[in-house]
Amino acid sequence: QAVLTQPASLSASPGASASLTCTLRSGINVGTYRIYWYQQKPGSPPQYLLTYKSDSDKQQGSGVPSRFSGSKDASANAGILLISGLQSEDEADYYCMIWHSSAWVFGGGTKLTVL
Amino acid sequence: QVQLQESGPRLVKPSETLSLTCTVSGGSVSIGSYYWTWIRQPPGKGLEWIGYIYYTGSTNYNPSLSSRVTISVDTSKNQFSLKLTSVTAADTAVYYCARSVPDSEMITNRYYYYYYMDVWGKGTTVTVSS
Repeated sequence: QAVLTQPASLSASPGASASLTCTLRSGINVGTYRIYWYQQKPGSPPQYLLTYKSDSDKQQGSGVPSRFSGSKDASANAGILLISGLQSEDEADYYCMIWHSSAWVFGGGTKLTVL
Repeated sequence: QVQLQESGPRLVKPSETLSLTCTVSGGSVSIGSYYWTWIRQPPGKGLEWIGYIYYTGSTNYNPSLSSRVTISVDTSKNQFSLKLTSVTAADTAVYYCARSVPDSEMITNRYYYYYYMDVWGKGTTVTVSS
C-alpha cells in the first residue's frame, strides 16, 4: 500500500470549490505530519503551494493566492488542499508530499479539471 | 532570483551511468541555509525524490535508489551533480534539480527541520535505450 494516496482525477466547475485529498497509509497518523502541496502544469516543473500541519502551523508559498488553503481530516487520516473560487488556470496536477522514514514521499497526484 | 538549469546527455544506454549537472545562477550553493535536490518524473507518472546534498558534501538519498545514486557538489562552479548507475528503461524520466529550503517545528523542546523544494529547474528528459 502506498504511503500517500490521491484520487487520480477530480472535476469541478469554475467558481466552485475543489477539495483534493491525500490519504496517509494506515498506521501513519496524519496529525503528526507536515503536508506539502505542489501544483504542476503540463510541460512545467512543480510549483510549491503551501505547507499545512495545523491551523496554527501553516505556511503559504510566496505569491500563492489565499484561495489555496490546507487542512486535515483526522477521521479520514487525510490531508486536504482546498481551492476556492476555481479558475481555468487552476487546471493542473496536484501532488502532496510528506517527510517519512528519512525521505520525501509524494502522492501519485490528482489531475484537476476545471470545466 | 535563483535559477537552476539541468544539463547532461539525453540518451543513456542500459547498464550505463546517467550523469546530470545542475548549474545554479542568481545564488550560491555554498549558502548554509539550503540543500540541493534531485527529483525525477517518469513519463505520465508522479514525482520521485532522489536525494539531496549540502554544500559541505553531506547527502541523504532515497532508500529505494541509494545503492545506485551519488550526488556531489562543486562549490567553485556553483553546481551540483547526479550519477545513477546501472540504468534500465525504468530510469527514463524527466530529471529536475531544485533548491530545498528549511521548514521547522518544535517537538518536545527540540527543533526538527524539513528541507522542502521551493525553486525547481525546468527539467531535462533522459531516455534509457540502446
